Amino acid sequence: KNQVEQSPQSLIILEGKNCTLQCNYTVSPFSNLRWYKQDTGRGPVSLTIMTFSENTKSNGRYTATLDADTKQSSLHITASQLSDSASYICVVSGQAGTALIFGKGTTLSVSS
Amino acid sequence: ETGVTQTPRHLVMGMTNKKSLKCEQHLGHNAMYWYKQSAKKPLELMFVYNFKEQTENNSVPSRFSPECPNSSHLFLHLHTLQPEDSALYLCASSQDQAGQPEAFFGQGTRLTVV
Repeated sequence: KNQVEQSPQSLIILEGKNCTLQCNYTVSPFSNLRWYKQDTGRGPVSLTIMTFSENTKSNGRYTATLDADTKQSSLHITASQLSDSASYICVVSGQAGTALIFGKGTTLSVSS
Repeated sequence: ETGVTQTPRHLVMGMTNKKSLKCEQHLGHNAMYWYKQSAKKPLELMFVYNFKEQTENNSVPSRFSPECPNSSHLFLHLHTLQPEDSALYLCASSQDQAGQPEAFFGQGTRLTVV
């Protein structure tokens, strides 16, 4: 069964600290993996997309990694800001034309 | 703003009411999606339209009825809903279903069924 598991479920960190969110998937065949940020009460917004051949991709203070062999991805946030407080959702795309598979998300709270 | 607009943003309806959710995009996308997001659950795909044709119905109860009159508009008609249908309903669009589509999401409609 195609699944996407994220950990931790929630995380609280102090402003300025770094953190890493994890995503494990069992989707096969694999096409690409995206990390979305969802602010409370709003729709998700794409942060990064990674394909099978990519290991690392950065978007400002966000750095995503992908290990296609172990089917694991991580999202590292550097020097966190209060505005980083949101849910971070890992989304995996399998065979072209099939539905996206969403993880449950990690809720990040950044406090001052 | 992602270019996908949903109305209304909030909706409270009784179990005997009939209401409709609207989604509009002018991104030139050909695929549109309805998702349901319940508390502490991952997004659940409900319906997919590709070039105005429904390509997926994820075993959604018939009290939810989608309509896609053109590639820019998508509706979700609601009737005789249950309290457990209360959730955030998200619309998304993408270029099409093939390849590596990035889904652009609207801000959602927060639905409460009383």
